[in-house]
Amino acid sequence: GENVEQHPSTLSVQEGDSAVIKCTYSDSASNYFPWYKQELGKGPQLIIDIRSNVGEKKDQRIAVTLNKTAKHFSLHITETQPEDSAVYFCAASKSPGGYNKLIFGAGTRLAVHP
Amino acid sequence: NAGVTQTPKFRILKIGQSMTLQCTQDMNHNYMYWYRQDPGMGLKLIYYSVGAGITDKGEVPNGYNVSRSTTEDFPLRLELAAPSQTSVYFCASSPMSYEQYFGPGTRLTVT
Repeated sequence: GENVEQHPSTLSVQEGDSAVIKCTYSDSASNYFPWYKQELGKGPQLIIDIRSNVGEKKDQRIAVTLNKTAKHFSLHITETQPEDSAVYFCAASKSPGGYNKLIFGAGTRLAVHP
Repeated sequence: NAGVTQTPKFRILKIGQSMTLQCTQDMNHNYMYWYRQDPGMGLKLIYYSVGAGITDKGEVPNGYNVSRSTTEDFPLRLELAAPSQTSVYFCASSPMSYEQYFGPGTRLTVT
């Protein structure tokens, strides 16, 4: 089955710096790759996603890149702010039958220091 | 919309007890999911449902049961609780598109 590996497990940056989190997946049939942000005591919230027919997607300070050949995708956060501090999860899915079963990475704890 | 709501927020069970975790969504989503999140780990799918009356197993279904009698509700039943079921449980729902909306979670401790 699908396996998703995520690195690093923890990341500490200074406010204003960029942060990059990387994930690799094993199943070449996966075609949907979301990123979730989880704040303390809350459920995960989708922040950006990408489908396999595009290589990059941006939303303000957040971007995701996908390399299908290498089977990896990355989250880029620019101009980090303290409120970006959270745990970030990547996931992958093949979306069979119109619904999707997400396989999650283990998460990255991002700390942004003022 | 309240989105996805879960009750209770916290629960302590003794080994061998049973309980039901409640999940309700008011977005009229067909698809609903139950995940567990162990410390330092990602979320693992327990069960999912593609509509009322239809459920199927995910990655880690052992020790759990679900039912889906309405579009809104998707309860998760734990029978004979074991320490290995100590975890945070998240319910999620999604429309026909890909995005899943998560509830706030239930923190369960089995001692």
